[in-house]
Amino acid sequence: DAGVIQSPRHEVTEMGQEVTLRCKPISGHDYLFWYRQTMMRGLELLIYFNNNVPIDDSGMPEDRFSAKMPNASFSTLKIQPSEPRDSAVYFCASSWGAGAGQVVRGYTFGSGTRLTVV
Amino acid sequence: GQNIDQPTEMTATEGAIVQINCTYQTSGFNGLFWYQQHAGEAPTFLSYNVLDGLEEKGRFSSFLSRSKGYSYLLLKELQMKDSASYLCAAYTGFQKLVFGTGTRLLVSP
Repeated sequence: DAGVIQSPRHEVTEMGQEVTLRCKPISGHDYLFWYRQTMMRGLELLIYFNNNVPIDDSGMPEDRFSAKMPNASFSTLKIQPSEPRDSAVYFCASSWGAGAGQVVRGYTFGSGTRLTVV
Repeated sequence: GQNIDQPTEMTATEGAIVQINCTYQTSGFNGLFWYQQHAGEAPTFLSYNVLDGLEEKGRFSSFLSRSKGYSYLLLKELQMKDSASYLCAAYTGFQKLVFGTGTRLLVSP
C-alpha cells in the first residue's frame, strides 16, 4: 500500500493567489481528515469526510477555505484568496471506522504539504 | 471545550528513561493516542489506551488515568533516533482526534 499521498510537498505562493492541496487516501478507508499544523497551535482539525460526505467543517477558519471529496480516492483543500497567516503544514489523514475497534491504530497521515504564502 | 496540555520541550541523555506527561479536558473521551513525529515528517502511531493502566510495547509504554484526565508516555533506553516530537491526542468520538501541541524531545549523547 502506498499510504496516504499528498501533493504538492511544498507550495510557495503570493498573497491573494488560489492554492489547491490534493490528497489520495488509503484504498478502503472511509474517513478522510484535513489538519493544519503550526508551532503555536499544533495540529488542528479543519474538516473531515465519511464516505465522501463532509461531516464536520467547524474547524475551517473562514470562507476562504473549502474542501471537496468527489470520490473515495481523492480530496482537495482550496484556499482562495491565500494570506500569509495561512502558512503552515497541511496534513491529510485517512482511517476506517467500521467500529470502535477500528480506531485502535488511529489515522494514517500523509507526508504533508508545506505552504508558504508571501 | 477541548484542552490538551503537554510540556513544550524535554531533554534527556542516550540510554536514560524519560516520561512525557499529558493532561486533557475534552467534551467526550473514548481513548488516548500517542504519536511520534520526526522533523519534517508525518505523525506515526505509537500507542492507544482505552482503559486505565499501563500498556507496554518494547521500549515504549503508555499510561492512562481516566479519572484524573492524565496520561504519560515512557521511553526507556533512549536512542538518538528517539529525538522527535511526541503528540498526545484524545479520541473524542465520531472518529475525531484532538491533538496537543506536542513535546519536542532532544536526546543527547
